[in-house]
Order: sequence, then C-alpha cells, then structure tokens
Amino acid sequence: EVQLVESGGGLVQPGGSLRLSCAASGFTVSSNYMSWVRQAPGKGLEWVSVIYSGGATYHVDSVKGRFTISRDTSKNTLYLQMSSLRPEDTAVYYCARNLPPDYWGQGSLVTVYS
Amino acid sequence: QSALTQPASVSGSPGQSITISCTGTSSDVGTYNLVSWYQQHPGKAPKVMIYEGSKRPSGVSNRFSGSKSGNTASLTISGLQAEDEADYYCCSYGPISTVLFGGGTKVTVL
Repeated sequence: EVQLVESGGGLVQPGGSLRLSCAASGFTVSSNYMSWVRQAPGKGLEWVSVIYSGGATYHVDSVKGRFTISRDTSKNTLYLQMSSLRPEDTAVYYCARNLPPDYWGQGSLVTVYS
Repeated sequence: QSALTQPASVSGSPGQSITISCTGTSSDVGTYNLVSWYQQHPGKAPKVMIYEGSKRPSGVSNRFSGSKSGNTASLTISGLQAEDEADYYCCSYGPISTVLFGGGTKVTVL
C-alpha cells in the first residue's frame, strides 16, 4: 500500500528556515517523480517543486532560490528545504507522487508569522 | 505559470448531472493528455478522481467521467449525491516541467 507521511511543519518567523520530510512506503521514491504541493488557508492548490527520477529538479518561480527539493534513497524519503520564508509561504504542504499527482500525503502546516 | 481556469462554483440537485470545465492553453491542457481531477473535502488531502484525462482509478465511482476538447478539459458527475459535495481541482502538466492547477470549483448539492 502506498503511503506518504509528512513531518517538520510548524511556526517560523519571516526570514527563517524549515525542512519538511515525507516518508514514503509501498514504492521507491527514487523511481518516481515526487512533488510538493501547497495550499494556503482557504485557497486552492499550488504546485511548488518536483524532483524527477533522474534527479532533475524544478520549482515554481515564487520559491526559486529559496526552496530546495531533495531525496534520500536510503531512507526512501523526500525533503523540502525552505529558507528566507515569507508570510505568503504559509500553507499546508503536501508531498505527492507522480506528475500530475496520484497519491498524496496528509499534509504538514507551515505558518510564517510576523 | 498561470493557473488553469475553472468556474468558482457549480450546483445541482441529487440525481442530476453537472460538468466542471478546466480551460488552459495549447501549451498545457491542449498539448498533454495528462489532466487529472481531484476531489477535496474540508480538512482532507486531495483524492484523484480522474487521471490522464479520462481514466478512473480503482475504487472511484463510474459516476465520475473526464473528457477533453482542445484546450479545455471537463469533469462530469452524473447521478449527483450528497457525498459529492466538495471542492474539485483540475491539474495539467505544463511547459518547462511545470504543473498547473485550476483555481478550484465548489460543488454544492442542493
């Protein structure tokens, strides 16, 4: 059974950093496209980042230079390193498999407060 | 990286059929047969209802169907039921390895 479990969310001040983790089971992270998708409170879904099976990464323009997606094959885990956080980055962050996504985690709330 | 265009809301009575449109461009919806549709209930993660334009995952009711014409994809829910009341999002692969979501459509069962 495919499962994705996010962790690492929380409260952070503007300019701060946070790392989200997504532990996967039931499939191999490195053999799939893996994404992060976020949803601001009361808003719609926004794709944030993707890492392809070959290792190439892409990010939405609004997070380029601030967010980095990566994976650890030994832990079968996906990461999102977020730095220079802004209030507009406040959202529930979902990790997801494939593009467009077929499986989603339960989400991890990141709140950037001033 | 503009979002795909969906109606903000659609409503219908139990048993009726409704259709949600998702309009993109020739660079995303029009080019890639990789449109997915998601159902999201409040406080829950999205659930895929349609993938690759018209395919249904195992376990999804056959009351849900997807189609595409040109730059517009559509999701039809037939035999509307109370449990179908939720937000629905379309998603398409886009240019330069991007992924685009629609703004979401709130479905209300009257």
